[in-house]
Amino acid sequence: ETGVTQSPTHLIKTRGQQVTLRCSSQSGHNTVSWYQQALGQGPQFIFQYYREEENGRGNFPPRFSGLQFPNYSSELNVNALELDDSALYLCASSSHPTGNYGYTFGSGTRLTVV
Amino acid sequence: KQEVTQIPAALSVPEGENLVLNCSFTDSAIYNLQWFRQDPGKGLTSLLLIQSSQREQTSGRLNASLDKSSGRSTLYIAASQPGDSATYLCAVRGSQGNLIFGKGTKLSVKP
Repeated sequence: ETGVTQSPTHLIKTRGQQVTLRCSSQSGHNTVSWYQQALGQGPQFIFQYYREEENGRGNFPPRFSGLQFPNYSSELNVNALELDDSALYLCASSSHPTGNYGYTFGSGTRLTVV
Repeated sequence: KQEVTQIPAALSVPEGENLVLNCSFTDSAIYNLQWFRQDPGKGLTSLLLIQSSQREQTSGRLNASLDKSSGRSTLYIAASQPGDSATYLCAVRGSQGNLIFGKGTKLSVKP
């Protein structure tokens, strides 16, 4: 059983650019969530996808968008990058959109905006 | 609005000591609570998941308890080892199925 994999592990972007982060969910999981973790803080919920539809969103602006594909993998896109977007981005998958059976997290993508 | 608080923010103990990490939440109407471990710059590793109907869960040297009425959970680590050094995060499940996290407790176990 493979876990959650994220790519890339690190990247550096310039303010104003756009970035795409990728996530493959754990085998058997149909729900993917994305979180942003700033240094020294707990992860903050960005949004969740279930069966290719967004079914929950946290307090993030529309320039944060996502996709889920038929194989349940997912992308997080961030447009017009700002310095404050620098953070660890975590992807989590679950076997049910309610989260009743817990979440499995990937190792994250470290994004640095300069 | 659900808020999760973890105390202490940091803890340093000698190897072999038993210790307790605390997590509190403001809205007792939770569905479940999950404890995670995070090594520096890494992702989250799930330790224990407690459903709202359960009082505790155990895995090896770890024991997590849940008291919904008082809005508290504790993570007990027995016979701590240097390899236990990490940040421990607790999270409750929100109404959208998302997780609401505390800021974590950074644990350092000295040899």
